[in-house]
Amino acid sequence: QKEVEQDPGPLSVPEGAIVSLNCTYSNSAFQYFMWYRQYSRKGPELLMYTYSSGNKEDGRFTAQVDKSSKYISLFIRDSQPSDSATYLCAMSPEYGNKLVFGAGTILRVKS
Amino acid sequence: DGGITQSPKYLFRKEGQNVTLSCEQNLNHDAMYWYRQDPGQGLRLIYYSQIVNDFQKGDIAEGYSVSREKKESFPLTVTSAQKNPTAFYLCASSQSGSVYNEQFFGPGTRLTVL
Repeated sequence: QKEVEQDPGPLSVPEGAIVSLNCTYSNSAFQYFMWYRQYSRKGPELLMYTYSSGNKEDGRFTAQVDKSSKYISLFIRDSQPSDSATYLCAMSPEYGNKLVFGAGTILRVKS
Repeated sequence: DGGITQSPKYLFRKEGQNVTLSCEQNLNHDAMYWYRQDPGQGLRLIYYSQIVNDFQKGDIAEGYSVSREKKESFPLTVTSAQKNPTAFYLCASSQSGSVYNEQFFGPGTRLTVL
């Protein structure tokens, strides 16, 4: 079993829809949780960063962490065609120096 | 412009050949990383370096080698011992080796073994 599980998709939605992307994990020591966005043939870029449990909002993006369920989510409101990309979750323990990545979910937003 | 550059963008190699992928950063970051990305598997860590002249193996170091002689450079050599080297290779850097520092990624090198 992988340490971080993420549905690879693809997930296809119409423009304006609310998108929910999720990851589950098995290591209860994980404390840092990140979401990266990767456009085709490019390197990933950090989108959201959360420490421990709770919610974090940045514009149209909201990251949620539920440590009791070992489950993290990224919500995208009013999705746009420019949001079409692969979304990777990543996480690490408190004093770690390595990130563990999910497989990535391919998102397609249709205009 | 500050950032990370990787070269070449595309690389073709015959079986049995060693190849070296270049990674340079001008962000004055101490830590640098090499990842491999395969379809459906996300990013897997090959090697990382937290300071010049020091580096550690990641999760899939077999068949790869690195050097860190300069702060701004972290080349990766894919040796003939790597059984399945065809993949997308990503280099990253961060201010320090702690995970709370954002990792910035380069544009990647796609390696294909013929």
